[in-house]
Amino acid sequence: SQTIHQWPATLVQPVGSPLSLECTVEGTSNPNLYWYRQAAGRGLQLLFYSVGIGQISSEVPQNLSASRPQDRQFILSSKKLLLSDSGFYLCAWSVQENNEKLFFGSGTQLSVL
Amino acid sequence: KQEVTQIPAALSVPEGENLVLNCSFTDSAIYNLQWFRQDPGKGLTSLLLIQSSQREQTSGRLNASLDKSSGRSTLYIAASQPGDSATYLCAASGNTPLVFGKGTRLSVIA
Repeated sequence: SQTIHQWPATLVQPVGSPLSLECTVEGTSNPNLYWYRQAAGRGLQLLFYSVGIGQISSEVPQNLSASRPQDRQFILSSKKLLLSDSGFYLCAWSVQENNEKLFFGSGTQLSVL
Repeated sequence: KQEVTQIPAALSVPEGENLVLNCSFTDSAIYNLQWFRQDPGKGLTSLLLIQSSQREQTSGRLNASLDKSSGRSTLYIAASQPGDSATYLCAASGNTPLVFGKGTRLSVIA
């Protein structure tokens, strides 16, 4: 069966520090991969999605970047965190079809202080 | 650009009551409509997926309907239980990845 792993669960970082969140999927090949951010009162916002290795689409210009170095690995990064980067970050995957069901990781609560 | 709205933002009901959560979307050219459940501090769990060609899907006490022409979907929960307390989100899938509503926070009081 397919599983998705996301870590760490919680993270407290100072402003200006770098960030790296990692997500891996097991039990499937060539998935679509997604990074979402959920901020209080703002709903779930799509940040990046990827349909293959090295293929990244950005939905919102921001202080973050994403990379997909391997088929089932998706990394969210920042060189210098801002206070506004605080939020709940969720990784998700789906089968590469238009009618895909989305499966989410357990999320990372990021607090930038 | 697709926009998804959920009403109400919060709902509190006594245990055993049947309830309906509402979701509306602006662009009817969707592939599917999905309903998710989110517990506090957790990721999202998929509940039901309705293909654009379907009218409804059922899973246990949950029934989701889809009316593309009016841009609406409803999630019906029968005989609610305290364990149903969570935030419920709907999302529409079209030419772009899923667009989510802000969710309805449901509290079922024992």
